Amino acid sequence: QVQLQQSGAELMKPGASVKISCKATGYTFSSYWIEWVKQRPGHGLEWIGEILPGSGSTNYNEKFKGKATFTADTSSNTAYMQLSSLTSEDSAVYYCARKGGYYRYDGFAYWGQGTLVTVSA
Amino acid sequence: DIQMTQSPASLSVSVGETVTITCRASENIYSNLAWYQQKQGKSPQLLVYAATNLADGVPSRFSGSGSGTQYSLKINSLQSEDFGSYYCQHFWGTPWTFGGGTKLEIK
Repeated sequence: QVQLQQSGAELMKPGASVKISCKATGYTFSSYWIEWVKQRPGHGLEWIGEILPGSGSTNYNEKFKGKATFTADTSSNTAYMQLSSLTSEDSAVYYCARKGGYYRYDGFAYWGQGTLVTVSA
Repeated sequence: DIQMTQSPASLSVSVGETVTITCRASENIYSNLAWYQQKQGKSPQLLVYAATNLADGVPSRFSGSGSGTQYSLKINSLQSEDFGSYYCQHFWGTPWTFGGGTKLEIK
């Protein structure tokens, strides 16, 4: 079955960078976009962007350009999101997710367990 | 960007009652809409995709409807396990924005 396993919680200093991983199992990793979503208390859910591991193609929410960078390693079936120049606004739970199918309207059927990033001096 | 306005922001309902949550898009999203349930401390779970299709394993008391800019999620005969937050999300052009959420409390 499809599973997405994320790396553990991170405590970071302002100005630092952090790299979150998302290991996929149970399907052909290269064939499906991996999505990244941010959730802060009181701010709901925000779509950060996506990466297609097989080609490395990416789509970013304009809001997160310059903040988030997606990469993927098909040899280990792992996707990564790096967040740079961290501020308190980046403190959040970050999820990786995958759509249920190949169509535009397929929702995010599979989610990682989330990675809590805390930015504090 | 397409804005998704969800209402109500919260509601308290008794077990057995029927609940309807609505989501209005700032432009036509042609039924490219999903609904999610999220419980405290857990990842969101897909309930409905393409506005009306139930995701695998979702109980039939959940149903989605709508078209154009107006969409609804209906929960018939509410169960205690249905408490949590609900979010809509559109898939008509990036960024795929979410609604602000509806917190459902069981009376």
